[in-house]
Amino acid sequence: KAGVTQTPRYLIKTRGQQVTLSCSPISGHRSVSWYQQTPGQGLQFLFEYFSETQRNKGNFPGRFSGRQFSNSRSEMNVSTLELGDSALYLCASSLDRRERELFFGEGSRLTVL
Amino acid sequence: QKEVEQNSGPLSVPEGAIASLNCTYSDRVSQSFFWYRQYSGKSPELIMSIYSNGDKEDGRFTAQLNKASQYVSLLIRDSQPSDSATYLCAVGDWNQFYFGTGTSLTVIP
Repeated sequence: KAGVTQTPRYLIKTRGQQVTLSCSPISGHRSVSWYQQTPGQGLQFLFEYFSETQRNKGNFPGRFSGRQFSNSRSEMNVSTLELGDSALYLCASSLDRRERELFFGEGSRLTVL
Repeated sequence: QKEVEQNSGPLSVPEGAIASLNCTYSDRVSQSFFWYRQYSGKSPELIMSIYSNGDKEDGRFTAQLNKASQYVSLLIRDSQPSDSATYLCAVGDWNQFYFGTGTSLTVIP
């Protein structure tokens, strides 16, 4: 059974650019969550999608957005990148909103120069 | 702001010893509790989940939950060098999860 797949794994951008990250959840999992991980802040919740709808959103500016497709795959977008956006972005899937065990992908490491 | 607190460590134990990791949380309505292991440069991996008061054992791992005191712990028996990692505590309510910043564990051969 394939795990959570995130692409790209590594990327380098410059300030002001935008980036789109992709996440394919475990087959059958319908809930996808996104987290930002930095050494100082730990894992910070970005948003959760279920049935193509954003169910919850963390305390991040509107530059961070996402969406989920009918096949449960999800994308997140960060516009007008800032240096502080450099982080590991982790996607996690779970069976549904009641089954709360999260399974993480390997992450997308974003460096903003 | 809901908080999940862990001792950042580093925690060092000799091989074969018991490692004890602790976590406290601020929100009494939290319903689900998890321990994740994260190796350096890797993503978090689920080790244990616990939902009710008491102990839950899985191999060398035991999770302990005390909702009245708002703490959850993880015991690792017969610690191995391969257990060296950062351990993340996660607490969930009906809406989302809150993660601690993790405890770094080093098992010394």
